[in-house]
Amino acid sequence: AQSVSQHNHHVILSEAASLELGCNYSYGGTVNLFWYVQYPGQHLQLLLKYFSGDPLVKGIKGFEAEFIKSKFSFNLRKPSVQWSDTAEYFCAVFSGGYNKLIFGAGTRLAVHP
Amino acid sequence: ETGVTQTPRHLVMGMTNKKSLKCEQHLGHNAMYWYKQSAKKPLELMFVYNFKEQTENNSVPSRFSPECPNSSHLFLHLHTLQPEDSALYLCASSQDQAGGGYGYTFGSGTRLTVV
Repeated sequence: AQSVSQHNHHVILSEAASLELGCNYSYGGTVNLFWYVQYPGQHLQLLLKYFSGDPLVKGIKGFEAEFIKSKFSFNLRKPSVQWSDTAEYFCAVFSGGYNKLIFGAGTRLAVHP
Repeated sequence: ETGVTQTPRHLVMGMTNKKSLKCEQHLGHNAMYWYKQSAKKPLELMFVYNFKEQTENNSVPSRFSPECPNSSHLFLHLHTLQPEDSALYLCASSQDQAGGGYGYTFGSGTRLTVV
């Protein structure tokens, strides 16, 4: 079955530190990849997505992610985090074979001033 | 606002109660989804409706009963729930089920507490 793994459940950083959140998925076919963010008390919102083309995709608020097909990975990065980036981040995968969006367990990021 | 509205935002119910969660979207989407979000667990897809037809039920206990009267509205009827059913219930929509590859739009969720 298709699954998504996020390696870190909790990450604590100071402002201006660099961020990388890991995401791996288990599906050998064509996939669409997503990162969603959930700020405290708010709805899940799309941060960025990859469908095809350039494996380095840029999203909102300075986030980017790199698709590495050989590693089945789609890691999220940000060079310099801000306190306002405190949120929970979810990686998700959609494949035509399963026709549904499968999520990882999420990574809770806390950024201290 | 995302275009997907869920009511109520919070719900506390006893184990013998019957209540319903409501979701509506005015995005012109034809697929709607219920997810359960529990702490430290992946979002669990519960039900999928595509053009009002249920296309997926992920072994959800019968105490959860979905209803999709039209493409814009989705309900989750609850009865005789257990405390472990306490969670955030999220509704989402997409153009259609195959079009879910472009991503889903989520509501803000209903925080359910079963006492």
